[in-house]
Amino acid sequence: EDQVTQSPEALRLQEGESSSLNCSYTVSGLRGLFWYRQDPGKGPEFLFTLYSAGEEKEKERLKATLTKKESFLHITAPKPEDSATYLCAVQGANTGNQFYFGTGTSLTVIP
Amino acid sequence: GAGVSQSPSNKVTEKGKDVELRCDPISGHTALYWYRQRLGQGLEFLIYFQGNSAPDKSGLPSDRFSAERTGESVSTLTIQRTQQEDSAVYLCASSPSTPGLASSYEQYFGPGTRLTVT
Repeated sequence: EDQVTQSPEALRLQEGESSSLNCSYTVSGLRGLFWYRQDPGKGPEFLFTLYSAGEEKEKERLKATLTKKESFLHITAPKPEDSATYLCAVQGANTGNQFYFGTGTSLTVIP
Repeated sequence: GAGVSQSPSNKVTEKGKDVELRCDPISGHTALYWYRQRLGQGLEFLIYFQGNSAPDKSGLPSDRFSAERTGESVSTLTIQRTQQEDSAVYLCASSPSTPGLASSYEQYFGPGTRLTVT
């Protein structure tokens, strides 16, 4: 069965303290791995799609990487406005239209 | 341009009543998804619409849940005889879903409807 596990559940960083969030997955034939940001009371906001191992994508202070078993979301010199819950989702070749989401990592960046 | 909109933003209902939730997708997006997000849990897939094809209802948790979509426009999710365990945020997302387009599976979410069943 396709699964997504995110760690840690919660992360507190000082402003400027770089770190990484992990998304481990098991899926039959990865079609895509997706990262989203969700602010309280709002719907998830799309960040990145990764399609194959070795792929990397960057946006401002965020960089997403992908291996055959996991993805990392690296946050470089975070700012308080980066505080949010970060969600990972996968779509497999054999799961039709379903996307499997992890439970997210709640990031707090302290000024 | 306009994003995905959902209404109402909040709904409080009594156990046993029916509720209808609405989603307006981004214009031109052929795919539409409904998800349920319970407190502290991941998004749970409910149903998927793609153009005029038969919907994928494999995620609906019981026959109390149903959804409709008219063409490539508005969708409604109906929950009959609501139960307390139905309390959650219901999220709608739309996607371009254009074959051959790398970004076609990116989903754009609405703000959600928070349903509370008392």
